[in-house]
Amino acid sequence: AQSVSQHNHHVILSEAASLELGCNYSYGGTVNLFWYVQYPGQHLQLLLKYFSGDPLVKGIKGFEAEFIKSKFSFNLRKPSVQWSDTAEYFCAVNAARNTDKLIFGTGTRLQVFP
Amino acid sequence: NAGVTQTPKFRILKIGQSMTLQCTQDMNHNYMYWYRQDPGMGLKLIYYSVGAGITDKGEVPNGYNVSRSTTEDFPLRLELAAPSQTSVYFCASSEKETQYFGPGTRLLVL
Repeated sequence: AQSVSQHNHHVILSEAASLELGCNYSYGGTVNLFWYVQYPGQHLQLLLKYFSGDPLVKGIKGFEAEFIKSKFSFNLRKPSVQWSDTAEYFCAVNAARNTDKLIFGTGTRLQVFP
Repeated sequence: NAGVTQTPKFRILKIGQSMTLQCTQDMNHNYMYWYRQDPGMGLKLIYYSVGAGITDKGEVPNGYNVSRSTTEDFPLRLELAAPSQTSVYFCASSEKETQYFGPGTRLLVL
């Protein structure tokens, strides 16, 4: 069965600090990978996604993620965070052959202080 | 662009009451989903549908029912509300790999 692990449950940073949120998945086949963001009181929005090709994926608002197949990882990065990045971040995966079910990690709560 | 809409935004139920959470999408997506989100637990799939007339159970279906009579609508039914069903419920739709989410319904069962 597929599973997704996000090891950082709560991250606190100051503005301009660099960010890296970990995501590891468990699945033997080809996968599609996603990062979603949920700003306070809002619904989930797609931040970026990886299906194939260049393992370094750039998303909205300066975020990027790198797919490392050998490590089953898809870590999210941003060189310099802003207060407006305060949100909860979810990593998700579905099987490329069966995209019906999207499996989510438990989420990482990011707080950015000015 | 409406996308995925959900009603109501917030509801308080007494134990044993029933209610239907509404979800509508205007993107003509075949796939629709219901999730619940609990603190520290991420999102758990309740039910999903791959097209009108077809539904299937997700990870946590107990206590819920769904129907899909049209492509646009995918209502979620709680027949006998229990405190364990206090949660935030999100509906989503997709055509291929990427899911698009509605604004959510916050449900409190007392």
